[in-house]
Amino acid sequence: GAVVSQHPSRVICKSGTSVKIECRSLDFQATTMFWYRQFPKKSLMLMATSNEGSKATYEQGVEKDKFLINHASLTLSTLTVTSAHPEDSSFYICSAQPLAGGPTDTQYFGPGTRLTVL
Amino acid sequence: GDSVTQMEGPVTLSEEAFLTINCTYTATGYPSLFWYVQYPGEGLQLLLKATKADDKGSNKGFEATYRKETTSFHLEKGSVQVSDSAVYFCALSSWGKLQFGAGTQVVVTP
Repeated sequence: GAVVSQHPSRVICKSGTSVKIECRSLDFQATTMFWYRQFPKKSLMLMATSNEGSKATYEQGVEKDKFLINHASLTLSTLTVTSAHPEDSSFYICSAQPLAGGPTDTQYFGPGTRLTVL
Repeated sequence: GDSVTQMEGPVTLSEEAFLTINCTYTATGYPSLFWYVQYPGEGLQLLLKATKADDKGSNKGFEATYRKETTSFHLEKGSVQVSDSAVYFCALSSWGKLQFGAGTQVVVTP
């Protein structure tokens, strides 16, 4: 149980285009989903917290107009990288926090999406 | 702000060796502490956690004790297997958010 999927697993795009990454909780409903960015040999950096039906809360230094987050249902959150540039190339990871039951600090992680911008 | 520092890798060990990965933290308040593991090609999985001082988390032969006096949460396993090869992340929970260390790659050779 508690499986989180991400799609696509890897994507290559041209500079200036937009890319959408989906994060789904497959067997549970999630009140909150988180989006992280991971640089090579670095820790995961929290980008934003999204709650179903409300606007995402972005961490300091993260451009909300560049990284659009939509949490339309209790099982789906999307991250859209708009007008992507090579410096946006990274590994993006989502996590989901269950709606009910279990510790409130438990997060289940997706396998990540490798974005390469040419 | 809150932060987590863990030893750099890679750590290379022979099978059945003893593993220790050091983790220290800085936090205001009393965070919960976690170890996550990331196997090749997979997402992060919770390995163990501790929610208050002197708590010991354990799972799959791994242990870590929440030491408030030294602000540490070192991960240990007495006898590693090749299947333990992965990247291990120490993390703390602060105000509902996870703060991660940089990760330590562990390579176990037969």
